[in-house]
Amino acid sequence: AQSVTQLDSHVSVSEGTPVLLRCNYSSSYSPSLFWYVQHPNKGLQLLLKYTSAATLVKGINGFEAEFKKSETSFHLTKPSAHMSDAAEYFCVVSVPYNQGGKLIFGQGTELSVKP
Amino acid sequence: NAGVTQTPKFQVLKTGQSMTLQCAQDMNHEYMSWYRQDPGMGLRLIHYSVGAGITDQGEVPNGYNVSRSTTEDFPLRLLSAAPSQTSVYFCASSSAVLSGQYFGPGTRLTVT
Repeated sequence: AQSVTQLDSHVSVSEGTPVLLRCNYSSSYSPSLFWYVQHPNKGLQLLLKYTSAATLVKGINGFEAEFKKSETSFHLTKPSAHMSDAAEYFCVVSVPYNQGGKLIFGQGTELSVKP
Repeated sequence: NAGVTQTPKFQVLKTGQSMTLQCAQDMNHEYMSWYRQDPGMGLRLIHYSVGAGITDQGEVPNGYNVSRSTTEDFPLRLLSAAPSQTSVYFCASSSAVLSGQYFGPGTRLTVT
């Protein structure tokens, strides 16, 4: 069965410092993994996706994530936080079509950025 | 392209009332889904569809019905609203599960 665990419900950083949001996954198959961002009272926006190509995936707004199969992790990073990065971030794993074809969301990590 | 649109943006229902949340996309996506978002629980899949005429249940389908008569539209029906259905509902679409989903702006539903 597929599942995803976001290890921190809340992360607080200062503007200009690095961001690390942690995600571990469980999958019976080679997974497809995504990170989404949700700003307050907004819908969700796709940040980046991993679909078995390069293990280091670059996304929008300077974010990137590294797929590590040995650690079953897909952590999201950004070298320098900006105030506009304050939002909730969701790590997502996909279930193959022959298993139902759907997305499973983590519980979310709220990122706060201090001036 | 308008992308994924949802109506209404806000709705208040009394317990026992029924209503339909509308979702439409103009990207010719085969895959559409409905999620509910509750504090501390992330997004949970209610129902999804892999094409017109095909629907299936997600994680929390009880109390909800869906149909998919066209590629563009995927309405979600609440048969008899309950306070436990107070939530924010998101519709999403994609060309395939692996391509990443486009989300609508959401419908905030309160059941009293």
